[in-house]
Amino acid sequence: GIQVEQSPPDLILQEGANSTLRCNFSDSVNNLQWFHQNPWGQLINLFYIPSGTKQNGRLSATTVATERYSLLYISSSQTTDSGVYFCAVVLGFKTIFGAGTRLFVKA
Amino acid sequence: DTEVTQTPKHLVMGMTNKKSLKCEQHMGHRAMYWYKQKAKKPPELMFVYSYEKLSINESVPSRFSPECPNSSLLNLHLHALQPEDSALYLCASSRPDRGLEQYFGPGTRLTVT
Repeated sequence: GIQVEQSPPDLILQEGANSTLRCNFSDSVNNLQWFHQNPWGQLINLFYIPSGTKQNGRLSATTVATERYSLLYISSSQTTDSGVYFCAVVLGFKTIFGAGTRLFVKA
Repeated sequence: DTEVTQTPKHLVMGMTNKKSLKCEQHMGHRAMYWYKQKAKKPPELMFVYSYEKLSINESVPSRFSPECPNSSLLNLHLHALQPEDSALYLCASSRPDRGLEQYFGPGTRLTVT
């Protein structure tokens, strides 16, 4: 089946720093989403991005479908950005999540 | 409105109990999902309903029984669970016009004693 790999697995940032999270996937997919899971378990939609580039405030994402990867950029990080970031790819109705990047932003 | 609601938020049940989890959305989505998430792991797909019909069952044990009474509601009936079934259970729904972009509820944290 399709493989989804995220890197890095863990990341510690000083508040105000920038970072890039990566998601590689092994096959063509219908769509790709980025989520942020907060400490209470809620999965928050960040981006629906099967291809191209999108920006939302301090966050932006780029998916290069032909090369099977997606990047999530976080600029000027804040402590509230802490949590786990998942990419998820969809093939038909099946959704496969990567293992996540656990981010901690220090004040 | 992009809200998926789940009840209860927390549930503690014994191995002989029968309980149900409930999920509701009013976004007109026609696909609904159940996921199970263990600590420090990603969500794992359990079931998918499309237009109120079961489309995917990811070889889930029969002690978990899904039900989709209408296009807005999704239930997960639980019976004779094991302690290893303790997890966060997440419900999601998706839009048919956006490549199945999914929206998640807040989850039910289940503990089986």
